[in-house]
Amino acid sequence: ELKVEQNPLFLSMQEGKNYTIYCNYSTTSDRLYWYRQDPGKSLESLFVLLSNGAVKQEGRLMASLDTKARLSTLHITAAVHDLSATYFCAVDLVVTGAQKLVFGQGTRLTINP
Amino acid sequence: EAGVAQSPRYKIIEKRQSVAFWCNPISGHATLYWYQQILGQGPKLLIQFQNNGVVDDSQLPKDRFSAERLKGVDSTLKIQPAKLEDSAVYLCASSWRIGRTSGRAVSNEQFFGPGTRLTVL
Repeated sequence: ELKVEQNPLFLSMQEGKNYTIYCNYSTTSDRLYWYRQDPGKSLESLFVLLSNGAVKQEGRLMASLDTKARLSTLHITAAVHDLSATYFCAVDLVVTGAQKLVFGQGTRLTINP
Repeated sequence: EAGVAQSPRYKIIEKRQSVAFWCNPISGHATLYWYQQILGQGPKLLIQFQNNGVVDDSQLPKDRFSAERLKGVDSTLKIQPAKLEDSAVYLCASSWRIGRTSGRAVSNEQFFGPGTRLTVL
């Protein structure tokens, strides 16, 4: 059974600082997705990582994928309050013809002024 | 492009009652998913359709949950009878397609609807 673990689960940081969220998974996969969820809202797609070594950047967020280590990172540079949200990674798993996403527990990020 | 539509947005019922949720995916998306998201957790897949066929329902509690996508477009998820532990947000998502092309899996980026928040009293 695929396990997807994120850490930390809770992160409180100051504006202007850098930090990294880690996503580890237990089974071979070369597809990983990052989503953002604001309180009471649905999930918004941030990044699609489709191969080993993939790196994507959007504004202050950068995501990478190392399929050999079964690890993805979401790096936040010079955090601003608007980035406060819960971030989920989701790993693509193929099981007997079905292709589905398995989500991590989420990292609740709070950025303080 | 219109996103995934869901209704209702909120529902409060008493235990042992029945409830139904509706989802209309993004136009042209062949694959539709229903997820359950309990407060403080990541979404958990309940059922996955490709067109009007079920691809995966291994995590659907079939004694009380049912879902259908009769014409391969919109879908309904029903709970009968509801239990207290069914209180959660029910998310519908859709994606272009699943499967493999030339031996490589295609992207399974899923687009989520606003969800239905269910409270069972």
